[in-house]
Amino acid sequence: GENVEQHPSTLSVQEGDSAVIKCTYSDSASNYFPWYKQELGKGPQLIIDIRSNVGEKKDQRIAVTLNKTAKHFSLHITETQPEDSAVYFCAAIYYGGSQGNLIFGKGTKLSVKP
Amino acid sequence: GAGVSQSPSNKVTEKGKDVELRCDPISGHTALYWYRQSLGQGLEFLIYFQGNSAPDKSGLPSDRFSAERTGGSVSTLTIQRTQQEDSAVYLCASSRTGQGQPQHFGDGTRLSIL
Repeated sequence: GENVEQHPSTLSVQEGDSAVIKCTYSDSASNYFPWYKQELGKGPQLIIDIRSNVGEKKDQRIAVTLNKTAKHFSLHITETQPEDSAVYFCAAIYYGGSQGNLIFGKGTKLSVKP
Repeated sequence: GAGVSQSPSNKVTEKGKDVELRCDPISGHTALYWYRQSLGQGLEFLIYFQGNSAPDKSGLPSDRFSAERTGGSVSTLTIQRTQQEDSAVYLCASSRTGQGQPQHFGDGTRLSIL
């Protein structure tokens, strides 16, 4: 089945710096990779996603890159702000048993210090 | 528009009791997913409904767990004879069609087994 590894588990940056979170996946059939932000007591919120037919996608301060050959993808947050502090999860879609469910990494707790 | 709604938001019950958790997906979304999030962990896939197709139950951890989706809309996750290891946040998500479409999450039900 699919396995998603996420690093680092915690990340602390100064306000204004960039933050990078990296994930690897195992199933070459995966073709959809979303990123979620989860604040305390809330459900995960989709912040950006990428499909396997593109290598990079940007949305304002957030960008995601995908290397299909190496089976890894990364989230880049530029000009970080204190409100970016949260737990971030990467995921990869897995088609093994159905039309597709997400397999998640274990999360990265990002702290942005003012 | 309205997002995914889950109830109750919190549930405390004694070991051995049965519990029912409810999920109202986004209107018009045909795919519905249940995930479990244990303390400090990533999300674990439980079950997936897509339209009128038979559900993908491959993630259910034991036969004490079951789910149904009536009329292609509201879903109920039932846990029978609860155990302490069932304590977790149970999250529901829906997507327009499944098949790698973005999944949108509710805020979950925090279940505590005493």
